[in-house]
Amino acid sequence: KAGVTQTPRYLIKTRGQQVTLSCSPISGHRSVSWYQQTPGQGLQFLFEYFSETQRNKGNFPGRFSGRQFSNSRSEMNVSTLELGDSALYLCASSYWTGAGELFFGEGSRLTVL
Amino acid sequence: AQRVTQPEKLLSVFKGAPVELKCNYSYSGSPELFWYVQYSRQRLQLLLRHISRESIKGFTADLNKGETSFHLKKPFAQEEDSAMYYCALRDSGNTPLVFGKGTRLSVIA
Repeated sequence: KAGVTQTPRYLIKTRGQQVTLSCSPISGHRSVSWYQQTPGQGLQFLFEYFSETQRNKGNFPGRFSGRQFSNSRSEMNVSTLELGDSALYLCASSYWTGAGELFFGEGSRLTVL
Repeated sequence: AQRVTQPEKLLSVFKGAPVELKCNYSYSGSPELFWYVQYSRQRLQLLLRHISRESIKGFTADLNKGETSFHLKKPFAQEEDSAMYYCALRDSGNTPLVFGKGTRLSVIA
């Protein structure tokens, strides 16, 4: 069974630009969560989707948004990028919202210059 | 609000020595607690959860509700245990998994 796939793996943007990250969950998993990982803050929860509906949202500004498609694939978008948005963005999937075990992707490393 | 605290950013131990990675949480209900591990150049993955009360790779963790702790222990550290360890909490509802900031374990040969 293929694992969680995230694209792109690496990207460099400049301040003010916007970025879209993609996540394909494990087949059969309907819940997708996004986390921002930085050395200083660890993993911070962004949002969680299940059956195309946002079920939970973390404490991030409105520049961070996401969506989930009918095939459970998910995207997150960050608009008007700031230097502080540089981070590893991790996607995780599970069978349902509230499942104990999350299966993580390798992440998309975003650098904002 | 849920909160998970891992007081040590870095823990260095010698091979064969006991290991204890500390995790404290603040939550008034009955949480589900987990330990996740990230080995070098690998994905973050579940190590163990308190509900199953299992031992994985020699690691165990006991939930102490009185002290609101969920420390991870191993009696004899191995070099392959070197990794980043994250404690995580989810309350009983459909809420997101909240992680601590992690502890880097370095096992010295």
